Amino acid sequence: NAGVTQTPKFRVLKTGQSMTLLCAQDMNHEYMYWYRQDPGMGLRLIHYSVGEGTTAKGEVPDGYNVSRLKKQNFLLGLESAAPSQTSVYFCASRNGGGTEAFFGQGTRLTVV
Amino acid sequence: KQEVTQIPAALSVPEGENLVLNCSFTDSAIYNLQWFRQDPGKGLTSLLLIQSSQREQTSGRLNASLDKSSGRSTLYIAASQPGDSATYLCAVRPETSGSRLTFGEGTQLTVNP
Repeated sequence: NAGVTQTPKFRVLKTGQSMTLLCAQDMNHEYMYWYRQDPGMGLRLIHYSVGEGTTAKGEVPDGYNVSRLKKQNFLLGLESAAPSQTSVYFCASRNGGGTEAFFGQGTRLTVV
Repeated sequence: KQEVTQIPAALSVPEGENLVLNCSFTDSAIYNLQWFRQDPGKGLTSLLLIQSSQREQTSGRLNASLDKSSGRSTLYIAASQPGDSATYLCAVRPETSGSRLTFGEGTQLTVNP
């Protein structure tokens, strides 16, 4: 089973460039999440979605946009990358109720 | 605002030792608590999920307990092995927002052969 797949795994951007991170899950989960992980700050929620066509802001949404056009995909966009967005990005998904969350392998993004 | 704290931040033990990792949270109104393992440069692997109505969950050498009223959870690892070396994270899902997980910063465990 593929589970949660993130694309790409690594990326280097120049300040001001844009990019989109793709998260795909094959478990038919309703909920999907984007987190960023930084040393000393743990995992922080950027945006999340409770179903196809819905999105909501998390703890640190500024500088990011998301879309959930298809149930299995959750896209995270950076319109104008900044060095402060250098981080490891994780996507997660889960079903409704008290179910466990599953995470992807992460995308390591460096903005220079 | 929910805050999750994990103590200790790092732990080094000899192989074979039984050990306990601690997780505390400030708001006891949680839906469930999940323990994860993260290997260097890798994603998070779910270990155990405890619903708010449960007291403990077991999987192999791992046992997680939950005391919701006091805002505490422990992860017990029996007969530790070098392969257990990783960072262990706990995360709580609150009753109110229902969706998001709030994470602790993790305990970095090293098991020495």
